Amino acid sequence: KQEVTQIPAALSVPEGENLVLNCSFTDSAIYNLQWFRQDPGKGLTSLLLIQSSQREQTSGRLNASLDKSSGRSTLYIAASQPGDSATYLCAVTNDYKLSFGAGTTVTVRA
Amino acid sequence: ETGVTQTPRHLVMGMTNKKSLKCEQHLGHNAMYWYKQSAKKPLELMFVYSLEERVENNSVPSRFSPECPNSSHLFLHLHTLQPEDSALYLCASSQASGYGYTFGSGTRLTVV
Repeated sequence: KQEVTQIPAALSVPEGENLVLNCSFTDSAIYNLQWFRQDPGKGLTSLLLIQSSQREQTSGRLNASLDKSSGRSTLYIAASQPGDSATYLCAVTNDYKLSFGAGTTVTVRA
Repeated sequence: ETGVTQTPRHLVMGMTNKKSLKCEQHLGHNAMYWYKQSAKKPLELMFVYSLEERVENNSVPSRFSPECPNSSHLFLHLHTLQPEDSALYLCASSQASGYGYTFGSGTRLTVV
């Protein structure tokens, strides 16, 4: 059974600081890995999707890396802003199923 | 409308009530999912429908009953729920291969 772990569980930084969020998974036979953002009480917004054959994806201030062999992914958010405050979820796909981590809750202080 | 739409957004029901959650997708996807998100726990996959057939039921109690009448619509019928069933219920869709997962905004369910 795939298990996904996210560290840290919570993070508080001043505005402008770079964020580093970590994700690890136990079964490296994944189809892809996604990072999602969730605002309180809301659904999930997909941020980045990395196919299993890729090493990284970038979108604006966001960069996600994938090391499938070691079962790790890292999400970098450059120059954080208060609007980046949310819970960030890592999820891996085996077959058609998404397995989620518990998330990292980020607070960016103005 | 585009994306994945869930209704209602909020639902309060008694333990003896019967209610249904609705999900609709306009993305041309052929797989749909129900997830449960409880406080402080990872999202839990409940049901998967691929090409309108149920392909997974993750040991979900029978008081939850899914229905997928076509590839664009998914329902979750609820009856005699317990207070511990209070949670955010999220619907998602994707291609049958699992590519392109898109989530709805969820239904916040409170069982009293």
